[in-house]
Amino acid sequence: LAKTTQPISMDSYEGQEVNITCSHNNIATNDYITWYQQFPSQGPRFIIQGYKTKVTNEVASLFIPADRKSSTLSLPRVSLSDTAVYYCLVDMMDSSYKLIFGSGTRLLVRP
Amino acid sequence: GAGVSQSPSNKVTEKGKDVELRCDPISGHTALYWYRQRLGQGLEFLIYFQGNSAPDKSGLPSDRFSAERTGESVSTLTIQRTQQEDSAVYLCASSSYRDMNTGELFFGEGSRLTVL
Repeated sequence: LAKTTQPISMDSYEGQEVNITCSHNNIATNDYITWYQQFPSQGPRFIIQGYKTKVTNEVASLFIPADRKSSTLSLPRVSLSDTAVYYCLVDMMDSSYKLIFGSGTRLLVRP
Repeated sequence: GAGVSQSPSNKVTEKGKDVELRCDPISGHTALYWYRQRLGQGLEFLIYFQGNSAPDKSGLPSDRFSAERTGESVSTLTIQRTQQEDSAVYLCASSSYRDMNTGELFFGEGSRLTVL
């Protein structure tokens, strides 16, 4: 399974755009990139998934360059409620469907 | 129910006692996962069930840990002779075949275990 590296923590202010980059240098051809969000005392929640280029939904955008060795989760105009831990996962979506979570990025949004 | 349900939400036990943690997945979800999350850390994979296939137990940290699932329903995670290092939040997640193709797991709120 491809290993991911992401910053331990980030600070931002309300209304700013936040970009969290994840490195996955040994990503395989069949791997997808998935991001989860976890609030304190809750289980993680799926945000977005992509394979290449750009994916956008109502919550976030995911940018994946052509070499797919990294990906960037973009949160537009964050609010205090976006304070959470964000996990980047790379998964082969093979028959095991085993998702491995790293330590994540702890985002703190300040007023 | 509408979501993944876990019980108990909190459990305090004494070192050496056995504990059982329960997970009710979303109805119809064939895949079920258990993860462990220690304070301030990421999630550690423990075990994965998919339908009637043999479970993937590769994440269980020791033979004191075991889990069962009957068909596509409830799962129980059992920790025997608990140790203080077992203190953590134990998270359960489930997914349907369709959702797995999009990478989406649905998590419960976890069972917080404290071993004194």
